[in-house]
Parts: sequence; C-alpha cells; structure tokens
Amino acid sequence: KAGVTQTPRYLIKTRGQQVTLSCSPISGHRSVSWYQQTPGQGLQFLFEYFSETQRNKGNFPGRFSGRQFSNSRSEMNVSTLELGDSALYLCASSLGVWSGELFFGEGSRLTVL
Amino acid sequence: GIQVEQSPPDLILQEGANSTLRCNFSDSVNNLQWFHQNPWGQLINLFYIPSGTKQNGRLSATTVATERYSLLYISSSQTTDSGVYFCAVEQGDAGGTSYGKLTFGQGTILTVHP
Repeated sequence: KAGVTQTPRYLIKTRGQQVTLSCSPISGHRSVSWYQQTPGQGLQFLFEYFSETQRNKGNFPGRFSGRQFSNSRSEMNVSTLELGDSALYLCASSLGVWSGELFFGEGSRLTVL
Repeated sequence: GIQVEQSPPDLILQEGANSTLRCNFSDSVNNLQWFHQNPWGQLINLFYIPSGTKQNGRLSATTVATERYSLLYISSSQTTDSGVYFCAVEQGDAGGTSYGKLTFGQGTILTVHP
C-alpha cells in the first residue's frame, strides 16, 4: 500500500514568488492535513481538508491557502513568499473519522532566498 | 490551546542502554501519537496510543490519559534509534476544531553511540 506522497521534495524560490505543493494521501484516506516545521517554531498545524472542505485552520496568514480535490489529493499554496517561509512542509493523511491515526509524507523542503 | 511538553530535550546513550521519554499534556486528548523523525525529515509512526499500553519489538508506550502523560520506552538501544522523537496530541472535547490537528511537543533528540 503506497504511503503519502509529496511533491516536489525540494525547491528554492525567491522572496515575492509563490509556490504550490502537492500531496497525495494513502488510498482510501479522505482527510489531508498540512504542517510547517521550522527550527524556531517546531511543527505547527496549517489546515485540514476532508471531502474538499476545509474543516480546520491554524494561525497562519492568508498567504497560506490550500484546497482538496475530489480524489482527495491536496495542494497548498504560499503567495508572496517571505524568508521566514523557509521550512519543511509536511502533509498527513487519515481516514477522516473522528480522531484517527495520521500518517505523514516525506515532506517538501522550501528554501526562500 | 493544549500544551505538550516532552522531556528530556536531549538524551545521549551508549548502544544497549534503555531509555524512557516522557510526554505531558495539559488537557484531555482524543488522539496521541509517537513519531520518530528520520534524517530526511519524514515522521515515522511509532504508536497510536490515546490510552493504554502497546509494544512493538524493542519499543513500548504507555498513556495514562487521566493523569495526562505518556511514556515511550526504548530498550537495548541501537545507533539506528538516533533521531528526534515527537509526541503529538489531538485535543479532546474541542468539537470540530480538533479535526486533523495534532499539537506537537518540541521533541527529544536521542543520540546513541556505538
């Protein structure tokens, strides 16, 4: 059974650009969550999608957005990149039922210059 | 929101030693997971353990939900056990605001020397 797949794995952008990251969940999983990991703030929750609807959102500015497609694949977008957006972005999938186990992908490492 | 504290922050062991990592949380939880983050950044699931005790090989975990803590035991440690161990919880009694939202501790950095 394939795990959670994230693309791209590594990318470099410059300030002011935008970036789109993709996440394909485990087959049969309908919930996708996104997390940001930085050395200073640790792992922080961005948002969660289930059946194409955002059910939950963390405390991040509006530059961070996401969406989920009918096949449960998800994308997140960061617009007007800032140096502080350099981070490892992790996607997790779960069945989506109340309180289920989350499984993480390998992450997308973003560097903003 | 819920607070998660892990201890110790750093742990250095000789191969073959045993260790206990602790996770304290400030409120009731629906979900508690232990992860090992590998050098490439991926979070590897160790245990899904909102309550009770589980064992998997040299690793075991116990969560005492009523006292708001969880323990991860590593026996006969190996150099491959090195890395960062995270405890993460989903807050209980939060209605719909907890969906997919894990709150992570700051992690325990484990170094196992040969």
